[in-house]
Amino acid sequence: GAGVSQSPSNKVTEKGKDVELRCDPISGHTALYWYRQSLGQGLEFLIYFQGNSAPDKSGLPSDRFSAERTGGSVSTLTIQRTQQEDSAVYLCASSGQGAVSNYGYTFGSGTRLTVV
Amino acid sequence: TQLLEQSPQFLSIQEGENLTVYCNSSSVFSSLQWYRQEPGEGPVLLVTVVTGGEVKKLKRLTFQFGDARKDSSLHITAAQPGDTGLYLCAGAKSGGSNYKLTFGKGTLLTVNP
Repeated sequence: GAGVSQSPSNKVTEKGKDVELRCDPISGHTALYWYRQSLGQGLEFLIYFQGNSAPDKSGLPSDRFSAERTGGSVSTLTIQRTQQEDSAVYLCASSGQGAVSNYGYTFGSGTRLTVV
Repeated sequence: TQLLEQSPQFLSIQEGENLTVYCNSSSVFSSLQWYRQEPGEGPVLLVTVVTGGEVKKLKRLTFQFGDARKDSSLHITAAQPGDTGLYLCAGAKSGGSNYKLTFGKGTLLTVNP
């Protein structure tokens, strides 16, 4: 596609429920990232996928968070048993292969998650 | 501990004024990027700097990477209301993690007409 597409754009869920957030990267971009943006906290790295390599999951805050990327394209971020502190904007980005200095990130518009 | 410190956190100015925002770290980065984010949207890449002392210009925006590659600045000349947004700096390290960006918390700029 022309840009990175994320859905839903907004999600309100009850505490304890599971949620799935979807990211459709730019066609041909091999690298895909998930970041979380909380008020006053900046962007926090969650997970990185590159082709068929093992993902870098070092930023996932707890085992309630997981992500997968099917067929090297679409990615889903799943949060189980949501907590109020999970409320944030979840941003997906994609880029070309190699050092980020060569390409930079192209971000989607994000999913605003509110846990009530 | 925030790896990249941005200042000021908030800045409100009148149209036509000049401004500078700063991005500082005690760490060395192989490259540094600046993004602008508008409400309800994701950050959009403005520039990448990779060489110590490098200066890049993008219309009224001037970006500088410090000689030691630990800091950067963004200067806007004759600011316009369209420059309003959250300005984020992000650094990448060399080596195996060169794909991962570390972001500052941002400078929220408001340019009043």
